[in-house]
Amino acid sequence: RKEVEQDPGPFNVPEGATVAFNCTYSNSASQSFFWYRQDCRKEPKLLMSVYSSGNEDGRFTAQLNRASQYISLLIRDSKLSDSATYLCVVIPEGGNNRLAFGKGNQVVVIP
Amino acid sequence: GAGVSQSPRYKVAKRGQDVALRCDPISGHVSLFWYQQALGQGPEFLTYFQNEAQLDKSGLPSDRFFAERPEGSVSTLKIQRTQQEDSAVYLCASSLGGSVQETQYFGPGTRLLVL
Repeated sequence: RKEVEQDPGPFNVPEGATVAFNCTYSNSASQSFFWYRQDCRKEPKLLMSVYSSGNEDGRFTAQLNRASQYISLLIRDSKLSDSATYLCVVIPEGGNNRLAFGKGNQVVVIP
Repeated sequence: GAGVSQSPRYKVAKRGQDVALRCDPISGHVSLFWYQQALGQGPEFLTYFQNEAQLDKSGLPSDRFFAERPEGSVSTLKIQRTQQEDSAVYLCASSLGGSVQETQYFGPGTRLLVL
């Protein structure tokens, strides 16, 4: 079983709409969770960390559900520039700080 | 300041050739990671250095893969006798210290194609 599971999509989203997706992780002792953004043929960049209490950064909201071992990301008022792949990332316990990535959710915002 | 740099950006190799990929981390960053990203997949961990010490090489797929960071700064990932399944983007990342909460900054990657 992969450490992080994501439905890759693509998610075709009309401009201005809200899109939400999530991922599940297998290591229940994982302590750190992130969303990274990766543009086509570019490197991943940290979008936001995910905390147990949930957190918001502008139009982006991330939530963590430890009981069900899933992480979600919600994007409100989608912009064309939000088109990218969103990678769910976990640091497994005892993993020497290595990042475990999901496949990514590909988001395409349509005018 | 300068970010993580990698060279070459693109490499085409014939099957059986050896290749060497270089990573220059952000100056002063203690931790350095290598990841492999196949087409349509998320990056997969290969190996981790803290300064010059290779603390984790559990992700290296075979003994054809070797990484070093002899002076605790620049790192080289070497792949011997390349195979077609080695075709991927090889990403290097660095972080300032060794704690779990530190952000990893990625380089642009080396795109390797093995023919």
